[in-house]
Amino acid sequence: DAKTTQPPSMDCAEGRAANLPCNHSTISGNEYVYWYRQIHSQGPQYIIHGLKNNETNEMASLIITEDRKSSTLILPHATLRDTAVYYCIVSRAGSYQLTFGKGTKLSVIP
Amino acid sequence: GAVVSQHPSWVICKSGTSVKIECRSLDFQATTMFWYRQFPKQSLMLMATSNEGSKATYEQGVEKDKFLINHASLTLSTLTVTSAHPEDSSFYICSAPGQEWGYGYTFGSGTRLTVV
Repeated sequence: DAKTTQPPSMDCAEGRAANLPCNHSTISGNEYVYWYRQIHSQGPQYIIHGLKNNETNEMASLIITEDRKSSTLILPHATLRDTAVYYCIVSRAGSYQLTFGKGTKLSVIP
Repeated sequence: GAVVSQHPSWVICKSGTSVKIECRSLDFQATTMFWYRQFPKQSLMLMATSNEGSKATYEQGVEKDKFLINHASLTLSTLTVTSAHPEDSSFYICSAPGQEWGYGYTFGSGTRLTVV
């Protein structure tokens, strides 16, 4: 699986949009970009995934660059409950294990 | 969406004893289950992959005789930490591919194991 690079930490003011970047310059054509988050002492929670088109769901938006070498997860209106470690993962579809990097620790500040 | 129920949430055991952790897929069949371990302030590390009806596949450096994995049914996978030692204290998490593609992979809530 391709490796990803994320900033180790970010702060965001409550109510503002949180934009979390991820670089995955070695991504293969059949690999998806997944985003998960882990709130302290809980299992990771699925947020969103995409292949090459931008995606949006009730939690977030995923913007993937045209060359697919990077992406940005957008939380439109961050709340204190969004404080967590966010993981960007690239993986093939199907029953393949997800390889977690160090992620970005997002702190939402009142 | 798909739900994976993991029990117990936390357990304290004495050195030398064994501990069993269960993961159940509640509303879907999980033919594959991934087991991860997470030490404090570190990321999740894959330990092993279990497949229903066959032997588990262990990652390099993970002792298969110490971490026994059983995936006897399509809804239940168990991890048994045998002869536990303090260095086995960690957060153990299971994960299964979701029943529907759009739900991604579903994770259990994790088990905090403390060996004293």
